[in-house]
Amino acid sequence: AQRVTQPEKLLSVFKGAPVELKCNYSYSGSPELFWYVQYSRQRLQLLLRHISRESIKGFTADLNKGETSFHLKKPFAQEEDSAMYYCALRSSGNTGKLIFGQGTTLQVKP
Amino acid sequence: EAGVAQSPRYKIIEKRQSVAFWCNPISGHATLYWYQQILGQGPKLLIQFQNNGVVDDSQLPKDRFSAERLKGVDSTLKIQPAKLEDSAVYLCASSLTEQFFGPGTRLTVL
Repeated sequence: AQRVTQPEKLLSVFKGAPVELKCNYSYSGSPELFWYVQYSRQRLQLLLRHISRESIKGFTADLNKGETSFHLKKPFAQEEDSAMYYCALRSSGNTGKLIFGQGTTLQVKP
Repeated sequence: EAGVAQSPRYKIIEKRQSVAFWCNPISGHATLYWYQQILGQGPKLLIQFQNNGVVDDSQLPKDRFSAERLKGVDSTLKIQPAKLEDSAVYLCASSLTEQFFGPGTRLTVL
């Protein structure tokens, strides 16, 4: 079965500390993995995707097929990073549905 | 460009009543999705349209939920009759490749 697991409901760090939001997945095939973010009172938006191997707002994520993980990392957290983060897996093709994890709230304290 | 529009933004009804949500996707996006997001969980796909045809409705509770996308543009999602467990945020998204989400409709069933 296709599944995305985010083991932490809440991650609280101080400003300037490193951040790692964990994501594990279960998928039979070549997965497409994404991180979505929802800031307070804003709509859900794409943060980054594994295919593009890009860094957005200082965040990176590497797909580890051996460990079936796609953890989101940032070396130095900023207060404006406080938000809800969702890891998602796309089932097939460019228009395939997204399967989301339960989300992790990141709280960056001053 | 204008984003995905949804209305209403909030709705409170009593159980056994009916309710309808409306979504206007980004112009030119052929694929439209309805997701249900229960508090504390990630979004879960209810139904996916490609133009005005249904691609995936495997998780739509068809005894009470229905959706249509006439003319392949706007879409409506209806619940009749509503149950307490239908309380959630209903998200509409549209895509060419990347999914863009609307602000959601928060439904409370009393």
